[in-house]
This record gives sequence, C-alpha cells and structure tokens, in this order.
Amino acid sequence: GEDVEQSLFLSVREGDSSVINCTYTDSSSTYLYWYKQEPGAGLQLLTYIFSNMDMKQDQRLTVLLNKKDKHLSLRIADTQTGDSAIYFCAEKTSYDKVIFGPGTSLSVIP
Amino acid sequence: EAGVVQSPRYKIIEKKQPVAFWCNPISGHNTLYWYRQNLGQGPELLIRYENEEAVDDSQLPKDRFSAERLKGVDSTLKIQPAELGDSAVYLCASSSRQETQYFGPGTRLLVL
Repeated sequence: GEDVEQSLFLSVREGDSSVINCTYTDSSSTYLYWYKQEPGAGLQLLTYIFSNMDMKQDQRLTVLLNKKDKHLSLRIADTQTGDSAIYFCAEKTSYDKVIFGPGTSLSVIP
Repeated sequence: EAGVVQSPRYKIIEKKQPVAFWCNPISGHNTLYWYRQNLGQGPELLIRYENEEAVDDSQLPKDRFSAERLKGVDSTLKIQPAELGDSAVYLCASSSRQETQYFGPGTRLLVL
C-alpha cells in the first residue's frame, strides 16, 4: 500500500538552513505537499509541487523532487525560531487520496 | 476570506457516550474531508465528500462512526458510542481545486 516516511526530529540553529526529507511509495502520485502544524493548530499548507516538476522555490522555501528515487525535500533558508513546528510531507495518489507522513518535528535553537 | 471552521475545539467525554463534531468549509469549496490525527502521527482520511456525496468512506469505522453533509455545505461527524481509542484530533479540510486542501483548527477529543 501507499506509505510516506519522514525522519521524526530535526534540530537546527537559528539562521542556518533546514532540510526536511521525505520518501513516498506511489510512483503515480500527482502532487506532493508540505504542511506545517504548530501546537494546537490545524495544518497549514506551505507549498506543493506537481509531479512533473523537479524544483519549486517560494521565498525561503525550496522544494526538490527526485521522482526516480521517490524523494522529496523541503529546504528552509535562514531558519527562524518561528519556524519551529511539525512539518508533514504528503502525496496525492493516482486515485486522488492524500497520504500524510508521520511529521518531522523541527526545533530551532536560538 | 474565512477559513474552515470547526466546533467544538475541545471535547471531553466518558466512554460509551456519543459525540458530534461540526465543520463549515470555506465558501464555495465543493470537496470536504474529515481526518483523524492520532498523537505523533499524520492525519488519516476518514471520509471525503464531493458536494453531498460521500465518494470515499473506506476508512470510516461504520459500526460507530457516521457523517453527513446534507446540503453540500457544512458537515457533521458523529461517534456513537465513543471508545477510549477514539481520543484524537479530528480535522476537517476543504478544497475547490484538485491540488490543494485547507484545514480547520481541529477538534481535540479525549475519551475517559
């Protein structure tokens, strides 16, 4: 079945770049997403990439997609303390179902 | 533009009691989703509606869970009777375009 995997924890110093990695299993996925969840809140869509793209940049966020290896990454440049949150990778499968990973908890050290 | 609205935000009940959650999607969004998020995990889809029609309810435990979206706008998710393992965050999301979903703040359920 479909599965999305992420490392569970990442710790970086303020001002450094953060890279959160994700792997997925459905080679026919159409869209891949990154969501952010702060404590006690719902999921906030950060960015998404269509499966025929390799890269997407949006201000401090850069998404890289390696479709051959089914690997997705999110790079946050100049990481700030306000970026501390849980980041979820998700894929939209070929039959329109969105599968979420377990989330990566990002801690930013001042 | 108002986001997805959910109520209540928190609910504490005893096991075997019924509970209901309400969701009002973003205006104009035809697709509505209910997810369950267990502690330390990502959301898992319970049911997806296209207007009034439930197009994917394969993960909904139908023995105790029910949902409705009678007029194709707001929706209610019900659990009867609740079990200890139902403690989780119940998230509602909506979308108008195929590629993006917008989430509400969730209802945190604790079953004692």
